[in-house]
Amino acid sequence: QSVLTQPPSVSGAPGQRVTISCTGSGSNIGAGYDVNWYQLLPGTAPKLLIYQENNRPSGVPDRFSGSKSGTSASLAITGLEAEDEADYYCQSYDNNLSRSVFGGGTKLTVL
Amino acid sequence: EVQLVESGGGLVQPGGSLRLSCAASGFTFDNYAMTWVRLAPGKGLEWVSVISVTGESTYYADSVKGRFTISRDNSKNTLYVQMNSLRVEDTAVYYCAKSVSTWYWDYFDYWGQGTLVTVSS
Repeated sequence: QSVLTQPPSVSGAPGQRVTISCTGSGSNIGAGYDVNWYQLLPGTAPKLLIYQENNRPSGVPDRFSGSKSGTSASLAITGLEAEDEADYYCQSYDNNLSRSVFGGGTKLTVL
Repeated sequence: EVQLVESGGGLVQPGGSLRLSCAASGFTFDNYAMTWVRLAPGKGLEWVSVISVTGESTYYADSVKGRFTISRDNSKNTLYVQMNSLRVEDTAVYYCAKSVSTWYWDYFDYWGQGTLVTVSS
């Protein structure tokens, strides 16, 4: 069981908006540690999507955005495109475990 | 261009050993902490181990502590993980990931494509 909880799957039609939640606790997200998001496409290297809650690396479309509140964070994707179909993971640091932690991952299906 | 290329994966019997390598290029390797992360079939990403820029400090997930050893050769721009006493549950794609800084727990700005380790009799 992952320290950070994500929904196993979300879906949306092209052009729609979806959000993926990442729920932690007071020893990770709630303690103020950064939340980062990664995109995994089959057969490719994982890609940094969002860092430090709401920052996008160069090359990541502004359709992707992140937010954080309390012990949770969210990734929002607007204007869904077929190429967005992938697995998404949140990541933070946990001071009880003294290590990086990941969410269980969310599979996004574009209908 | 930053590149991380893992190698060394394969099929090994339970109790066996493997050494994975991650060849880095396109950045100053000894300026960044490096991490191994794995993705087991049907499961999520799991942080495995991290090493400091000098190699003097290392940390491990409880699931691999005492069995895996992370190391780096800054003269060869290469990261390693020696995996001993392998278990079926170690079956996964193993990724090396570059930290964005010297801090062990920072986010990862580049990842390799991974190498598959299969532990089976």
